Formats: sequence, structure tokens, C-alpha cells
Amino acid sequence: SAVISQKPSRDICQRGTSLTIQCQVDSQVTMMFWYRQQPGQSLTLIATANQGSEATYESGFVIDKFPISRPNLTFSTLTVSNMSPEDSSIYLCSVEWRMNTEAFFGQGTRLTVV
Amino acid sequence: AQSVTQLGSHVSVSEGALVLLRCNYSSSVPPYLFWYVQYPNQGLQLLLKYTTGATLVKGINGFEAEFKKSETSFHLTKPSAHMSDAAEYFCAVSPNSGNTPLVFGKGTRLSVIA
Repeated sequence: SAVISQKPSRDICQRGTSLTIQCQVDSQVTMMFWYRQQPGQSLTLIATANQGSEATYESGFVIDKFPISRPNLTFSTLTVSNMSPEDSSIYLCSVEWRMNTEAFFGQGTRLTVV
Repeated sequence: AQSVTQLGSHVSVSEGALVLLRCNYSSSVPPYLFWYVQYPNQGLQLLLKYTTGATLVKGINGFEAEFKKSETSFHLTKPSAHMSDAAEYFCAVSPNSGNTPLVFGKGTRLSVIA
């Protein structure tokens, strides 16, 4: 299993500003992912965080809006840029060691944009 | 491509009654299947998983699920619901290709009535 620390756990931000969310894992992992969960909705994959290279974004998500860093195998950040109220969601970090294994999740970051 | 269908976005049961949450999947290869639970303001937690072997899988908190290949199903059950079971439940299937995350269903919200 893995211990995943995600910070901050929640935040209230002004529109037009940016927030960086951190995800720290207690061991090296191959795959790290970022999800968005809008109120009352399921998980939507934002991107795969690739170590040492640009993240792989899903359709509808772009690097300018959601820049992602992954400097090593235990840490990643997701930035929500130029926020609007529509960005109010829970953002979740997830890791998987290899294909066909279970995913482990951070506690999530509850973001409210006012 | 893999997909997961969870029948019923919201299920309500009385305390002590049987819990049945439905999950059907599509996969072109033998799947690995997972159930996750999300309590309010928390990340997702693995309940149980099926990889190979026995098709009836027991998980935490008294939940179990049965893999039925002929029905492409992996329904989650618990004989007697407890108030603390009220949460969101997600079914997931393993992807075909590497470096892609699990494929999640839309989730089922379980309410338990006293």
C-alpha cells in the first residue's frame, strides 16, 4: 500500500488566481494521475503526471490551465490557473504501481472559487 | 476499450437490510475488478478487488463481490447495512494498456435509513 499526502486539504480562492496542489507519496511509484470530481459527480481524469517529461492530458484539459510537474517518482503538483467558479471541485491525486494493480488516492483537495 | 456501468446513481436501504450495488463491465481481456468507497470529504479507499482465482471476493467492512464472467458483472453486496456504510461507491476495471489508470464507473451513492 501507499501513504499519499495531499496538500492543501481545502482552500477558498478568489477568481483569477492560481492554486498549486501537492501530492507526496511515501515510496517511488510508476504512475501518478490527477482527477477532478465536481460536486455530486464521478471522477474525471485530468492528466497522467510523467516523471521528467510533460504530462499527458485528457481531452478537454490543457497544460495552460492545469500545469503539472513531476520532478521525481514520489512527488507531483497540479496547478489550477486563472480560476473561475466553474473550477470549484475536489481534486484528487492517485498512484498505481503497475498495470492491473489497485489505485491509491490522496485525501483530495476541496477547492472553492469565489 | 474498457467501460464500467453502475446501475443506479443512488440506492437507499434501511438499516439492517441487504445492500446490493450493481456493476457491469466491458473488457476484451480477462479483467481485474475493484470496488472503492468514498466517505464525505475523503479520498477513495479500496474495498475489495478481483484479480484471479476465487470469484467471490471478500473485502473490508463486511462487503463482498462476485465476479460473474458470463454476466460481465461484479456486484457488491453486504448482508446487513449499517449507518456507517452511507457513502459513494465506485466500481473500476483495469485498463488494457500500460500507463493508463483504472476505468471508473460513475458511482452509486448509498443512503442508509434508520
